[in-house]
Amino acid sequence: QVQLQESGPGLVKPSQTLSLTCTVSGDSFSSGNYQWSWIRQPAGKGLEWIGRMYASGRTDYNPSLKSRVTILVDTSKNQLSLKVTSVTAADTAVYYCARDFGPSPNNWFDPWGQGTLVTVSS
Amino acid sequence: DIIMTQSPDSLAVSLGERATINCKSSQSVFTSSNNQNCLAWYQQKPGQPPNLLIYWASTRESGVPDRFSGSGSGTDFTLTISSLQAEDVAVYYCQQYFGFPVTFGGGTKVEIK
Repeated sequence: QVQLQESGPGLVKPSQTLSLTCTVSGDSFSSGNYQWSWIRQPAGKGLEWIGRMYASGRTDYNPSLKSRVTILVDTSKNQLSLKVTSVTAADTAVYYCARDFGPSPNNWFDPWGQGTLVTVSS
Repeated sequence: DIIMTQSPDSLAVSLGERATINCKSSQSVFTSSNNQNCLAWYQQKPGQPPNLLIYWASTRESGVPDRFSGSGSGTDFTLTISSLQAEDVAVYYCQQYFGFPVTFGGGTKVEIK
């Protein structure tokens, strides 16, 4: 059974870089069977897809965030990472990693990690 | 981007009664590649991540109770809970995966009347 767990600092100062890690168990990035995404949810609000990583190392990013986002994978640790630069209060959200599932390249998401809250504040 | 609009924002339904949630996309999410609609539904309970209920607009995910059903085509979709149970209190989201980027509806909160 695939499980995903996000981790990282819960507090980031404005203008700094948000860095999160998603550790995957029960599946392997190198298997090439799936893509893996980051999705965020501001408190009390809806969901926004941030971007995805393919097994090939290719990435897709939401155009609304593309200039500030980088997704990387460490296959030796089976970890997906997310970096968002120049953060503002608008980046305060629960950040989820999730496995893409479906016809590719655009998919639904299953399963999701439990999420990690990141607050941007000085 | 394809805009997903859900209605109502919230609804209160008596236990055992039917709950109906609507989702409208700003353009068709029907794909001729397999004659399916690229529409998924999720349930999110407080403090938990979204949980996949339905994909291809009407295919129920394994383990999802059959009181949950999805319908619709093109731009108009519905999630129906045929007989609301206490454990169904949650926020429900639709998501389209036809266009890039994938986008979600704003959510519908379901409560017990």
